Amino acid sequence: GAGVSQSPSNKVTEKGKDVELRCDPISGHTALYWYRQSLGQGLEFLIYFQGNSAPDKSGLPSDRFSAERTGGSVSTLTIQRTQQEDSAVYLCASSFLIDTQYFGPGTRLTVL
Amino acid sequence: EDQVTQSPEALRLQEGESSSLNCSYTVSGLRGLFWYRQDPGKGPEFLFTLYSAGEEKEKERLKATLTKKESFLHITAPKPEDSATYLCAVQSETGANSKLTFGKGITLSVRP
Repeated sequence: GAGVSQSPSNKVTEKGKDVELRCDPISGHTALYWYRQSLGQGLEFLIYFQGNSAPDKSGLPSDRFSAERTGGSVSTLTIQRTQQEDSAVYLCASSFLIDTQYFGPGTRLTVL
Repeated sequence: EDQVTQSPEALRLQEGESSSLNCSYTVSGLRGLFWYRQDPGKGPEFLFTLYSAGEEKEKERLKATLTKKESFLHITAPKPEDSATYLCAVQSETGANSKLTFGKGITLSVRP
């Protein structure tokens, strides 16, 4: 079946601009996660959605970052007023309840 | 705070030369330990989940084992196509957040 999809695959933006990254989880999966992978660093947790519960935003690095999940499916991660340190690969994963997480291909964000 | 340390950072093997990758962890109650494979420019691909000390799982040339403090990924007679970055992650059974905490990964190169 279809896996997790993310768009765009690459995004180049100028410092100070806002960006939106999209994630389509595996159909039927209740949980959705966003992680960030910076050069030389491990994957860093950002935010977690489970069903209709309030999201766990404990990993968001600043208030410039926000995410929403519409209809319990598609999610959008928004970064406002991008900074050069936001440059990274943003990975989305989904799971059924708290089982194995399956990852998408990621969005590579470059802030000039 | 949950922590994962992987060693070595990089490993170069000759085709057919077996070896092991190490993942040491500290976690406040282990729900599961996960191994993923990541190829350049792609998202992590799920390999194994281990839940309790003494558990072992195998897939082709790969075998994962778990103790109370560490996990090993054994690679038997590797082939060049096994070249990738191998990621280890833990999931805690405490708290409402089922996020994964990742190590920085081990980059494996297998020469023909």
